[in-house]
Amino acid sequence: GAVVSQHPSWVICKSGTSVKIECRSLDFQATTMFWYRQFPKQSLMLMATSNEGSKATYEQGVEKDKFLINHASLTLSTLTVTSAHPEDSSFYICSATSQDHPSGEQYFGPGTRLTVT
Amino acid sequence: GDSVTQMEGPVTLSEEAFLTINCTYTATGYPSLFWYVQYPGEGLQLLLKATKADDKGSNKGFEATYRKETTSFHLEKGSVQVSDSAVYFCAPSNAGGTSYGKLTFGQGTILTVHP
Repeated sequence: GAVVSQHPSWVICKSGTSVKIECRSLDFQATTMFWYRQFPKQSLMLMATSNEGSKATYEQGVEKDKFLINHASLTLSTLTVTSAHPEDSSFYICSATSQDHPSGEQYFGPGTRLTVT
Repeated sequence: GDSVTQMEGPVTLSEEAFLTINCTYTATGYPSLFWYVQYPGEGLQLLLKATKADDKGSNKGFEATYRKETTSFHLEKGSVQVSDSAVYFCAPSNAGGTSYGKLTFGQGTILTVHP
């Protein structure tokens, strides 16, 4: 149980285009989803927290207009990187929590490798 | 805010060696504590957890004990295998306030096990 998927697993796009990444909880309802960014050989940086049906809460320094997050249902959250540039190239990982797990563990997706050329 | 200090890597061991990865944290309240593992090119997997003081989390031969008095959650394994080669992250879960449920990640410790 507690499986989280991400799609696509990798994507290459041209500078100036937008890319959408999907995060789905497959066998549970995710009350909260988190989006992280990970640079090579570094830790995870939390970008934003999203609760179903409400606006995402962004961490300091993360551009809301550039990284659009939508959490339309209890099983789906999307991250759209708008007008992508090479510096946005990174590994993006989502995670989800459920009220069924009150100790607060997060279940992570496999990640999406974004390369902007 | 909350913070985590993990043992710096990389850590290189021979198969069947004993492993310890130190982790200390600062946190508000009484967080749950987690160890996550990341294999190359993949997302994170929950390795083990402990939700209150003196709890011991264990999984796949790994263990960690929630030490409230020293605010530590050191990861140990008695005999490592090549397949344990990965990056290990210590992460307390924020226990209250507006950051409830957020994980604070350590910098990660790269473990390489040689045959």
